[in-house]
Amino acid sequence: KAGVTQTPRYLIKTRGQQVTLSCSPISGHRSVSWYQQTPGQGLQFLFEYFSETQRNKGNFPGRFSGRQFSNSRSEMNVSTLELGDSALYLCASSLETGLLEQYFGPGTRLTVT
Amino acid sequence: QQQVKQSPQSLIVQKGGIPIINCAYENTAFDYFPWYQQFPGKGPALLIAIRPDVSEKKEGRFTISFNKSAKQFSLHIMDSQPGDSATYFCAALISGGSTLGRLYFGRGTQLTVWP
Repeated sequence: KAGVTQTPRYLIKTRGQQVTLSCSPISGHRSVSWYQQTPGQGLQFLFEYFSETQRNKGNFPGRFSGRQFSNSRSEMNVSTLELGDSALYLCASSLETGLLEQYFGPGTRLTVT
Repeated sequence: QQQVKQSPQSLIVQKGGIPIINCAYENTAFDYFPWYQQFPGKGPALLIAIRPDVSEKKEGRFTISFNKSAKQFSLHIMDSQPGDSATYFCAALISGGSTLGRLYFGRGTQLTVWP
């Protein structure tokens, strides 16, 4: 069974631009969570989606948003990019919302210049 | 505020040694404690996890010890190998309520195993 896939793997953007990242969960998994990983703050939860609904949101500004489609694929969007948004963005999937085992994708490395 | 505190930040052991990574938490609502292994350029991979109703769990060379009263848990890697060199993260989760499904991570431990 294929794992979680994320596209693109690498992205370079300029301050003020916006970006959209994509995540395809493991086949059959319906819950998708997003995390930001930086050397300074570690791994921080962004939000979780299940059945196209946001179930849970971390402490990030409104510039960070996401959505989930009927096939469970998810996208996250960051608008008005700041230098501090440079990070590895990780997507994790699980069978159901709140189910314990979460499986991560390889991440999208975003660099903001 | 870091909900899960992890130590040490880095660890160097010889091949065959038993590195131990420790984590502590305050929120007694946490009821699931996974460990993740991350190699450079990869996402975290689920290694092993424990619920607070057991004190120890083994999977292959990896063992979690859990002390509910002290609110601490640790990862032991038996007979460590150079291929175990990676960053290890502990995490905690509340399996119900408003934070359903949200993992709280420790800051990570960079393990190096010398041949």
